[in-house]
Order: sequence, then structure tokens, then C-alpha cells
Amino acid sequence: EIVLTQSPGTLSLSPGERATLSCRASETVNNDYIVWYQQTPGQPPRLLIYRSFTRATGIPDRFSGSGSGTDFTLTISRLEPEDFAVYYCQQYGSSPWTFGQGTKVEIK
Amino acid sequence: QLQLQESGPGLVKPSGTLSLTCTVSGDSISNSDYYWGWIRQPPGKGLEWIGTVYYTGSTFYNPSLRGRVSISVDTSKNQFSLRLDSVTAADTAVYYCARPVAVVPAAFEIWGQGTMVTVSS
Repeated sequence: EIVLTQSPGTLSLSPGERATLSCRASETVNNDYIVWYQQTPGQPPRLLIYRSFTRATGIPDRFSGSGSGTDFTLTISRLEPEDFAVYYCQQYGSSPWTFGQGTKVEIK
Repeated sequence: QLQLQESGPGLVKPSGTLSLTCTVSGDSISNSDYYWGWIRQPPGKGLEWIGTVYYTGSTFYNPSLRGRVSISVDTSKNQFSLRLDSVTAADTAVYYCARPVAVVPAAFEIWGQGTMVTVSS
């Protein structure tokens, strides 16, 4: 199965700053089929991005996804207070669909 | 507005069977545009896809659970269900049911709130 490694484990930033989260796959993700989720404590994940760069319904344009092959990035252009959370990437190019271990974005 | 609600026992004994049901409201589970999935999250850990079902009953599972997992759909009740056999403490997790976006069966857009299942004697 494809192993996804997210970095950094924790990102300490201030509101208004730019966040860059990395997701690296152990092998090429077919068709760049990458999803990004946001999760806050006690809540289910929230879908942000699918097909590597397509924003889900209602997701603000400060969230953007990019990348191809084995290296993918989620960028939050300007952090809002509600963006401090854990972010997961997921690949669905190959079965089984797998998730990264998560990156926590915390307030500095 | 689509809502999903998980239900089932919160405590299961080791070697027993975990059974959960997801009740769908706000749309028909027979909507041919959508699949339906189960995902779990052990306490303090990341997410694991368990399996996905289509309203016809067609399923696909995470191979790591194959042989122990079964997902079924009951269109008359607008529900789909998860069964996991021979559970161990490693199966302790929050279990979520979810519906993905129409064109991407793996991109889970609508989630239930999740139900905590503990495997313990």
C-alpha cells in the first residue's frame, strides 16, 4: 500500500501567516488522486480538497492544493483563527486508500 | 440537508463482533450518484479507511481488514451497516460513516459525528 508521510508534524504559526503543509507518497499516486481534510478536536474531518487541487463546496479560496507524482502540498494563504487544526492527506490512486499521519497547525 | 448518524454498542468484547449502523436522512441511499463509506480513527491517531458500499450492495474493502469486515446496505431503511469480526483492542476507535462527493468515491464530504467503540472485556 502507499504510505503517505506528512511534514512537519507540527507547524507553529500566527494568524495571518501562510501555512505550507507537505504530503509525500512512498510511490507515485495515480492521477494525482490526493485529498486533504481538516479536523478540529471532537469533530469529524472536513473535506477541503480532492483531485489534488479541487476545492470542495464551501471551502474558502485561501486553501489551495498542488503537486503531482509523489509530492503534494496544501497551502493556506493567510491563516484565520478557525484554521488551527490537524490536516490529513489521503490518496485514492491505489487501493487501499490511505491517509497520512497528520500535520497539526497550532497558534504560535 | 444530508445527515448521517452512527449507532451501535460502545463496548465489544475481544474476539466478538462489532456491528454498527449508519442511518441516512435528507437523501435516499439509493441515489445512484453516491457511494457510502466507513472510516475509523483510534484515539489520538490518524484515519483508516475501512470500506465502501454502493446502493446495489457492491462493496470494496481495505485489504488489511479483509476476511473480518462486511458492509451491507438496507435501502428500505435508508441505512448501511458495518460488521467487523474477531475484534481486538486494536479495533478500538471512533467509527465514522460518510458519503463522498459524487464523482470521487474516496473524497468523503459528509460525515456522521462518529461513535466510539471500545474493545475490552
